[in-house]
Amino acid sequence: QSVLTQPPSASGAPGQRVTISCSGSSSNIGSHTVIWYHQLPGTAPKLLIYTKNQRPSGVPDRFSGSQSGTSASLAISGLQSEDEADYYCAAWDDSLNGVVFGGGTKLTVL
Amino acid sequence: EVQLVQSGAEVKKSGESLKISCKGSGYSFTNYWIGWVRQRPGKGLEWMGIIFPGDSDTRYSPSFQGQVTISADKSITTAYLKWSSLKASDTAMYYCARHEIYYDNSGYYVPDYWGQGTLVTVSS
Repeated sequence: QSVLTQPPSASGAPGQRVTISCSGSSSNIGSHTVIWYHQLPGTAPKLLIYTKNQRPSGVPDRFSGSQSGTSASLAISGLQSEDEADYYCAAWDDSLNGVVFGGGTKLTVL
Repeated sequence: EVQLVQSGAEVKKSGESLKISCKGSGYSFTNYWIGWVRQRPGKGLEWMGIIFPGDSDTRYSPSFQGQVTISADKSITTAYLKWSSLKASDTAMYYCARHEIYYDNSGYYVPDYWGQGTLVTVSS
């Protein structure tokens, strides 16, 4: 069981907006910024969103993160076929003294 | 350009030992934490631990403490993950990842750049 909770799947049509939720506790999401990764099949995870909703160079502004209390969400607007991937949330956990991940959400572009 | 290049796939038997590697380049290896993440087949990501190559300070996830050893050789900018006795349940893809430190309420670590992964297959 993952420490952070994500829905196993999400879907949307091209051009639509989709959100992926991530739920945690006071020792992780409640205390630190949530990080988001995406992972294409057979490849390593790539950083998507990090501190204060920053995006690494090359990540389009269609991707945005938000959080409140012990929950967070990733929003993807203008959905494209290449967005089809697994998405993981993560956060530092003060109780475990380490990074904790969500179980991942498989995004399907219809 | 930051690059993390991992050693190749391994096929081992239960009870054998194994050490896989991750060579960093394109950044100051001794000034960033570097760690390991496990991904079992068809499953999610699990954070194992990190090491600071500058002074070899090492921190483990409670789930992996005592199960693996993380080390680094700063002279060749390489981090390692070692098992002394493999189990079938260790079969997984293992990723190394550089960790950047940020601060909000306190310091926290963000895996930013990732290696390509090393597939470890353990047969019983």
